[in-house]
Amino acid sequence: QSALTQPASVSGSPGQSITISCTGTSSDLVSWYQQLPGKAPKLMIYEVTKRPSGVSNRFSGSKSGNTASLTISGLQAEDEADYYCCSYGVFGGGTKLTVL
Amino acid sequence: EVQLVESGGGLVQPGRSLRLSCAASGFTFNDYAMHWVRQVPGKGLEWVSSISWNSVSIGYADSVKGRFTISRDNAKKSLYLRMNSLRPEDTALYYCAKDRESGGGDYIFDYWGQGTLVTVSS
Repeated sequence: QSALTQPASVSGSPGQSITISCTGTSSDLVSWYQQLPGKAPKLMIYEVTKRPSGVSNRFSGSKSGNTASLTISGLQAEDEADYYCCSYGVFGGGTKLTVL
Repeated sequence: EVQLVESGGGLVQPGRSLRLSCAASGFTFNDYAMHWVRQVPGKGLEWVSSISWNSVSIGYADSVKGRFTISRDNAKKSLYLRMNSLRPEDTALYYCAKDRESGGGDYIFDYWGQGTLVTVSS
């Protein structure tokens, strides 16, 4: 598994939708993690599109070619965090989401 | 409720050793692969090591291969990481993480501990 590339930062206003990309994987074992400030990471999406029990349906995943994406709809202030993609133990560099 | 509680971190001099522990509860520990993931403060996540449910399948990141040893005691529901020849670049918060799958695992980390901080400095 080669390195995964994410944008360093994204931002959006409350209520908007944002998408974070993760380039460098053709695998279906892509997962996404949310890390709130000072907290441990939390699994948000696994196997590209699946949501663990308890995760809001505002979070969704997709993949096209070698790029996976995490979309957050109806952006809320509590979504402000770092987001990491991962495939076979290789993490992306992380994306800082700012809610304006 | 799944709980993972790490311990054993601290300040250690370069070249010395340290052993981290992770106590698991709230799930059938011996059914799942387990991992160590680390994070330099303010930086990104790095997978360190993994172990299958029966300790048959073990893997390490290149950055720690030959220096770190992962192990588990299913009877004690505990995961360990023995870290030898520590370097300043090993300074990080070390997380214990549970895999969603048994066997060798699929590197999907569905539960995480709060981490234990390791600082390597003279």
